Amino acid sequence: AQSVTQPDIHITVSEGASLELRCNYSYGATPYLFWYVQSPGQGLQLLLKYFSGDTLVQGIKGFEAEFKRSQSSFNLRKPSVHWSDAAEYFCAFLVPSGYSTLTFGKGTMLLVSP
Amino acid sequence: NAGVTQTPKFQVLKTGQSMTLQCAQDMNHEYMSWYRQDPGMGLRLIHYSVGAGITDQGEVPNGYNVSRSTTEDFPLRLLSAAPSQTSVYFCASSYSSSANYGYTFGSGTRLTVV
Repeated sequence: AQSVTQPDIHITVSEGASLELRCNYSYGATPYLFWYVQSPGQGLQLLLKYFSGDTLVQGIKGFEAEFKRSQSSFNLRKPSVHWSDAAEYFCAFLVPSGYSTLTFGKGTMLLVSP
Repeated sequence: NAGVTQTPKFQVLKTGQSMTLQCAQDMNHEYMSWYRQDPGMGLRLIHYSVGAGITDQGEVPNGYNVSRSTTEDFPLRLLSAAPSQTSVYFCASSYSSSANYGYTFGSGTRLTVV
C-alpha cells in the first residue's frame, strides 16, 4: 500500500542548531513529494515540493529537502533553526498519474529550545 | 483575497445534531478536498471532488456527505454528529489533482461534538 512515514513524533532542537526531519515513503515508483508546515492554530503552508530532476530542492524560509530514491526518503533540513520554526511539519506525497489525492504523514512536532 | 475560505472557524455541536461546514474558493480550481486532522494522525482525506457534480470517498468518509453543485463550493455535511467527529477540518483546492498546480488550504474549522 502507498504510504508515507514520519518516524519522529517530536524533535527538540536548540536555536541555531541544524535540523533534519525524516520522511520515508512506500510506493513502487517515484511519487511527487511535499513538505508542509503548520504553526499552532494555523492552516498548512507549503515549504517545498519535488517532482523530478535535481534531488536537492530548495524551499521557503531557508528549508531544503533531498530526495533519495535508494532510501525511499525525502528528509527536510535547515542549517540553523530559529525559534519561529517551532511548528508541526508534515511530509506528503502524490501518485503522479490520473486523479490522485495528497496523502500525509502523521507529522513531526518541532520544539526549539533557547 | 483569493484563496480558500472555510466557515465557521469554531463550532460546538451536541451528539446527534447536524451541520454543514462550508468551503469556498475563488480561484476556479477544479479539484477540492476535505481532510480531518487529529493529534498523532496527520491529515486524513474524507471526500474529494474533481469537478462540479463529481465526488468520491477518501480514507475516512463514514459519517460525512458531500456534494459539488458549483466549481466554487464544496460543503461537508455531518448528518448526525458523534464525539468521534471532534476534529479540525481542512478544505483544500487545486487547479487539478496534479502536483504541478499546488494545493491551497483553508484555515480550518475546529469542531467539538459533546
